[in-house]
Amino acid sequence: GAVVSQHPSWVICKSGTSVKIECRSLDFQATTMFWYRQFPKQSLMLMATSNEGSKATYEQGVEKDKFLINHASLTLSTLTVTSAHPEDSSFYICSASVERGYGYTFGSGTRLTVV
Amino acid sequence: AQSVTQLGSHVSVSEGALVLLRCNYSSSVPPYLFWYVQYPNQGLQLLLKYTTGATLVKGINGFEAEFKKSETSFHLTKPSAHMSDAAEYFCAVSRGNNAGNMLTFGGGTRLMVKP
Repeated sequence: GAVVSQHPSWVICKSGTSVKIECRSLDFQATTMFWYRQFPKQSLMLMATSNEGSKATYEQGVEKDKFLINHASLTLSTLTVTSAHPEDSSFYICSASVERGYGYTFGSGTRLTVV
Repeated sequence: AQSVTQLGSHVSVSEGALVLLRCNYSSSVPPYLFWYVQYPNQGLQLLLKYTTGATLVKGINGFEAEFKKSETSFHLTKPSAHMSDAAEYFCAVSRGNNAGNMLTFGGGTRLMVKP
């Protein structure tokens, strides 16, 4: 149980285009999802916290107009990278808190390459 | 505020040898502590977690960790390394078990297992 499905697993896009990444909780309701960014050989950096039905809370230094987060339902959160540039190339991972005390479950990640 | 320090970005052991990955944390409230493993281009998989109660926590794949409050540590151990244990390991801390509590990650430790 407690599976988060993240799609796509990898995507290549041209500079200036937008890319949408989806995270779905398959067998539970995720009131809160977290979006992380991971550069090669580095740790996960929290980008934003996504709450169902409300605006996401972004970490300092993360451009909210560039990284649009939508959490319209209890089972779906999306991250849209708008007007992508090569420096946006990274590994993006979503996570959801499952139930009180259980912990957190992670999506399989999305490798974004902007060319 | 919370922080996590993982001593040693790279650890190399021989197959069959003891694995010890170090993690120290700082937290203004009683912490919830986690160890995750990440294989290349994949999301994070929970190895084990400490919330309350017994300070020695057993996880999957033969790993265990001990919460030592006096040392603010949560080191991960495994008696005998397998080749399949080669991966990136992340220690993380959260403030509690509410869904909105974010995880703060350490910098990660890459475990290499020599035949």
